Amino acid sequence: GAVVSQHPSRVICKSGTSVKIECRSLDFQATTMFWYRQFPKQSLMLMATSNEGSKATYEQGVEKDKFLINHASLTLSTLTVTSAHPEDSSFYICSARDFQNYGYTFGSGTRLTVV
Amino acid sequence: TQLLEQSPQFLSIQEGENLTVYCNSSSVFSSLQWYRQEPGEGPVLLVTVVTGGEVKKLKRLTFQFGDARKDSSLHITAAQPGDTGLYLCAGAASNYQLIWGAGTKLIIKP
Repeated sequence: GAVVSQHPSRVICKSGTSVKIECRSLDFQATTMFWYRQFPKQSLMLMATSNEGSKATYEQGVEKDKFLINHASLTLSTLTVTSAHPEDSSFYICSARDFQNYGYTFGSGTRLTVV
Repeated sequence: TQLLEQSPQFLSIQEGENLTVYCNSSSVFSSLQWYRQEPGEGPVLLVTVVTGGEVKKLKRLTFQFGDARKDSSLHITAAQPGDTGLYLCAGAASNYQLIWGAGTKLIIKP
């Protein structure tokens, strides 16, 4: 089945630094990837929709200059958290639509802790 | 704005009991997915329902899509401790975005 590989799984960084999270579709082409943020015991919150070769579409309230998304190829999308602050600490998950199975395949998530 | 109301948000039952989780909306979805998520992991797709009235079974789990494609249910028969987890429903909007339910935290006590 479709697999999305997300790295890193965990990262701890200092306030003010930037962190890049990568998501790769391993056996299919992902023209669209979705980036989510999830707080403990809560559902997923869509941050942005990333389309290959074009600018990402951000949800209301998500700062595009803080959460930089790049989708330069059909198999790779990246989310960079710039000038991270402790309130950015969260679980970040990417997903891509698996057209074959009508479902969405998710990465394993990245636990970001900003200290 | 499309919304998907999922209930209950928390359920703790004894092993062997049955349970049902509901997802309801006033909007029509082209498809609806059910996911299970373990702590520290991304959601894993359990099933996708596409046709109104569709019923799918996955061992002890039965998924149903409402006739009008606005609601869905997940029924677990004879729950096992291994069923413990966060269950999420998500409806597919026309722009391929997923509209998520709030999730159901399920705990099965041995």
